[in-house]
Amino acid sequence: QKEVEQNSGPLSVPEGAIASLNCTYSDRGSQSFFWYRQYSGKSPELIMSIYSNGDKEDGRFTAQLNKASQYVSLLIRDSQPSDSATYLCAVNEDGGGNKLTFGTGTQLKVEL
Amino acid sequence: GAGVSQSPSNKVTEKGKDVELRCDPISGHTALYWYRQSLGQGLEFLIYFQGNSAPDKSGLPSDRFSAERTGGSVSTLTIQRTQQEDSAVYLCASSPPGGSYGYTFGSGTRLTVV
Repeated sequence: QKEVEQNSGPLSVPEGAIASLNCTYSDRGSQSFFWYRQYSGKSPELIMSIYSNGDKEDGRFTAQLNKASQYVSLLIRDSQPSDSATYLCAVNEDGGGNKLTFGTGTQLKVEL
Repeated sequence: GAGVSQSPSNKVTEKGKDVELRCDPISGHTALYWYRQSLGQGLEFLIYFQGNSAPDKSGLPSDRFSAERTGGSVSTLTIQRTQQEDSAVYLCASSPPGGSYGYTFGSGTRLTVV
């Protein structure tokens, strides 16, 4: 069974701090990795994708990938209350077409 | 269309009735996916379409669930003889052809079986 693991949280950080969200995956052949943000009662929204080892930055968001450790993370700098949501890690299965396996998500709370 | 469109947005049905959920993907997106999300739970894969064919339907929970896609566009997920455990948000997503891309999700159909 191919798995994507995330700490369910909640992860609480003060406004302006860096939030660090982590994800591990079991399929060593996975090639594509995604972070989705899901506000309560809404559908998931794609915020970051990463395909190569290293860091990828987009505004306040940085995705980090380490394929050797089967680990992907999302950093949110200068966290804002509007960042409070559940963050879902998704991994493209090796040989699975474009099928994504999702983690159960980490709930982030940014406190004033 | 501009986004993935799902209908209805909410559906309340009596146990034992059949329901149909509709998904209209982004124009040009050849891949279409159905997931469901129970309250407080993660996303559960149901079925994946590439064009009109379904290479992976491994997530359909029982033979009460079926899905089809016609014209490489609209998809319908049908649940027969609904049960209370079918209550969930049913999410449809689509992605462009070729390579590996993240999905764009629709706003979902909230199904409540009473």
